[in-house]
Amino acid sequence: DQQVKQNSPSLSVQEGRISILNCDYTNSMFDYFLWYKKYPAEGPTFLISISSIKDKNEDGRFTVFLNKSAKHLSLHIVPSQPGDSAVYFCAASALYGKLTFGQGTILTVHP
Amino acid sequence: DTAVSQTPKYLVTQMGNDKSIKCEQNLGHDTMYWYKQDSKKFLKIMFSYNNKELIINETVPNRFSPKSPDKAHLNLHINSLELGDSAVYFCASSQEQGHVGELFFGEGSRLTVL
Repeated sequence: DQQVKQNSPSLSVQEGRISILNCDYTNSMFDYFLWYKKYPAEGPTFLISISSIKDKNEDGRFTVFLNKSAKHLSLHIVPSQPGDSAVYFCAASALYGKLTFGQGTILTVHP
Repeated sequence: DTAVSQTPKYLVTQMGNDKSIKCEQNLGHDTMYWYKQDSKKFLKIMFSYNNKELIINETVPNRFSPKSPDKAHLNLHINSLELGDSAVYFCASSQEQGHVGELFFGEGSRLTVL
């Protein structure tokens, strides 16, 4: 039973355009959400997070949106750059709970 | 200076063997984890330790035994390896403060069981 799901295995975007990565969760106890980025042969690295008391958090080119009623979050990257090509993992946790990851979405940004 | 380092990065072995993967963090974090990334690409937690004490054990077969000699180290020993154990194993650490927030991951150890 996967409580965090990323239903798009891959996404291809042109450089300079917007990348939108989506994530759905089922556990209503989750109240903290994160995105991680992973390059080949490296471990995931933290990118951006959002608490359930917010519906948007922005950090430079990266913005995470949270829709609690739909149990959905998304990561927007604008403008997308070739160096953004990586696997993006969505993750969620509840207070004092473990971090649960989705299966990742491969983003490819074409020059 | 690597924050979370794990060795070996690659491990190829026969079914039935016993192997260990070592992990060390120099971030001064209290909590360490082992995650498994299987063929379906989900990152699934296996264990977490807080200050050398086991906190989470996610229904992992008892062939897997974590050991934390101190809070900077969390090693994973696997007995009687099976084909299904083939995966990438990631070690991670965090400084928990109520929420498990940012994890710092090692580069991963790719285990192949033949």
